Amino acid sequence: GAVVSQHPSWVICKSGTSVKIECRSLDFQATTMFWYRQFPKQSLMLMATSNEGSKATYEQGVEKDKFLINHASLTLSTLTVTSAHPEDSSFYICSARVPRTGTYEQYFGPGTRLTVT
Amino acid sequence: DAKTTQPTSMDCAEGRAANLPCNHSTISGNEYVYWYRQIHSQGPQYIIHGLKNNETNEMASLIITEDRKSSTLILPHATLRDTAVYYCIVSNNNNDMRFGAGTRLTVKP
Repeated sequence: GAVVSQHPSWVICKSGTSVKIECRSLDFQATTMFWYRQFPKQSLMLMATSNEGSKATYEQGVEKDKFLINHASLTLSTLTVTSAHPEDSSFYICSARVPRTGTYEQYFGPGTRLTVT
Repeated sequence: DAKTTQPTSMDCAEGRAANLPCNHSTISGNEYVYWYRQIHSQGPQYIIHGLKNNETNEMASLIITEDRKSSTLILPHATLRDTAVYYCIVSNNNNDMRFGAGTRLTVKP
């Protein structure tokens, strides 16, 4: 299957700083990538859809100025959490859509655990 | 709005088949049924998907009812490593994957 990687796998930062998370499709080109957030004991919540070469589409309630998404190439999307606060501590997961004839499967990265102190 | 309904939790004996049900009574004609699972602290893993025919791969089988309002994921010989949260999602080619609460499957020795 298609492989999606994320870096870093975990990060600890101080309140007020910014953190960048990378999502890469390793063996395919992804015109569309997605960013999810998951709090403990909860399901994944879609944050935004990232399209290569265009602006991301954010879900209702997600602050676009706080969660900056850049999808500059067909294999890389980045999520920057700006001015992070403890409530931003969460498990961030990206996925990439694999276009195949008839269906669009999504493959997920291993996730990045962010802890803001 | 949740488009699928799954039991909150299920247990299965190791070596036995695990049958995970999913109701999707409002599924549209162009929507596929996808199954993913998430093992603790990892990203979701793709299992299988289908439109209306039953599907089988090396991981599982997917049985979709004729009216497409429900489906069952079958793990033929569950192992302890199959313990995870299993998500049933309906989506068409233009939409993203939106996760419900899923079913927490516990495989017991």
